[in-house]
Amino acid sequence: DAGVTQSPTHLIKTRGQQVTLRCSPKSGHDTVSWYQQALGQGPQFIFQYYEEEERQRGNFPDRFSGHQFPNYSSELNVNALLLGDSALYLCASSKPGQLAKNIQYFGAGTRLSVL
Amino acid sequence: QQQVKQSPQSLIVQKGGISIINCAYENTAFDYFPWYQQFPGKGPALLIAIRPDVSEKKEGRFTISFNKSAKQFSLHIMDSQPGDSATYFCAASRGNNAGNMLTFGGGTRLMVKP
Repeated sequence: DAGVTQSPTHLIKTRGQQVTLRCSPKSGHDTVSWYQQALGQGPQFIFQYYEEEERQRGNFPDRFSGHQFPNYSSELNVNALLLGDSALYLCASSKPGQLAKNIQYFGAGTRLSVL
Repeated sequence: QQQVKQSPQSLIVQKGGISIINCAYENTAFDYFPWYQQFPGKGPALLIAIRPDVSEKKEGRFTISFNKSAKQFSLHIMDSQPGDSATYFCAASRGNNAGNMLTFGGGTRLMVKP
């Protein structure tokens, strides 16, 4: 049973460009959350998708957007990249059910470097 | 702003010793408190978690102690091993219909010396 998978593993972009990161949740999971982890810090919540809709959003600008597909996979898009967007982007998935949604399993992340 | 404060930032323990990491939270609506372990180049892995209706939970060498009145919880790693060397994050969430975002502490880098 595959865990949470993210692609690509690493990505290098320049300021002003746009980037799309992808995530496939664990089998049986329907909720996907995205987090940003700067070097040496704890992950920061970006947003959560469930039933193809954004259900909750953290303190991130509109440059960060997402999408969830009918197969529960998800994309994170970041427009007009800034140097400060350089970070590890983590995807987490959880099972249906209010209590089960707390239990989030993380992928290995996508390391984004903005030059 | 919901916050979870974690201490210490780094910790060095001898093999066989006890590692203790502490966290404090502000939002009394939090109802789920997990600990994650992260190795370099990997994503966080769920280690152990507790809900506020119990004061302690033990799984193998890992124990969470929870003090609801003080709004604090801690992770104890008994018989610490070099393989436990990693960064540990505490987190908290509040389950509701809007979502279950995790709020993380700043992390503790643990080194277990042989």
